[in-house]
Amino acid sequence: QKEVEQNSGPLSVPEGAIASLNCTYSDRGSQSFFWYRQYSGKSPELIMFIYSNGDKEDGRFTAQLNKASQYVSLLIRDSQPSDSATYLCAATGNQFYFGTGTSLTVIP
Amino acid sequence: DTEVTQTPKHLVMGMTNKKSLKCEQHMGHRAMYWYKQKAKKPPELMFVYSYEKLSINESVPSRFSPECPNSSLLNLHLHALQPEDSALYLCASSQVVTGRSSYEQYFGPGTRLTVT
Repeated sequence: QKEVEQNSGPLSVPEGAIASLNCTYSDRGSQSFFWYRQYSGKSPELIMFIYSNGDKEDGRFTAQLNKASQYVSLLIRDSQPSDSATYLCAATGNQFYFGTGTSLTVIP
Repeated sequence: DTEVTQTPKHLVMGMTNKKSLKCEQHMGHRAMYWYKQKAKKPPELMFVYSYEKLSINESVPSRFSPECPNSSLLNLHLHALQPEDSALYLCASSQVVTGRSSYEQYFGPGTRLTVT
């Protein structure tokens, strides 16, 4: 079992729709959770971070954390073609974990 | 300002060469990281510096040698690399790190390394 699991996709959504990305983790000692966006050939760019249960919103992005169920999600509202990228879920606590990423394609 | 810079952007080196990668941040962060990323894989942690001291070495071969001259700078010295070491090398920084728990990490643009 991988410590952080993501659906590799690809996930395709039409422009303007909501994209929903999910991540589950196995280490209950994980405390901090991050979402990174990575375009092909580029470095990861921090999109959201969340440390407490509940929702956190920043512009078109909402991160959700449920520690009891051990999942983290990222919602992207009004998806744009420029959101097409790989999204990496990461967690730290007892260890540094990166998920393998979900490939998102937003279709114009 | 959430900028981490890395030089060079690209590096091609032979297996007998010695080269260095450089990373700089001016965010006042006290934790700095080196990661290695192969194509279509997530970043793999190599080293962590906390308050300029090496706190984590993920069993990285000795041909990779990190150095933290001050709180803003991080170097990775390379010697006698193998072709399988070709990858994107990423530097990151965060406010602090406690053990293996960190605040949000900001990545630099990376150095694309090719070993011939």
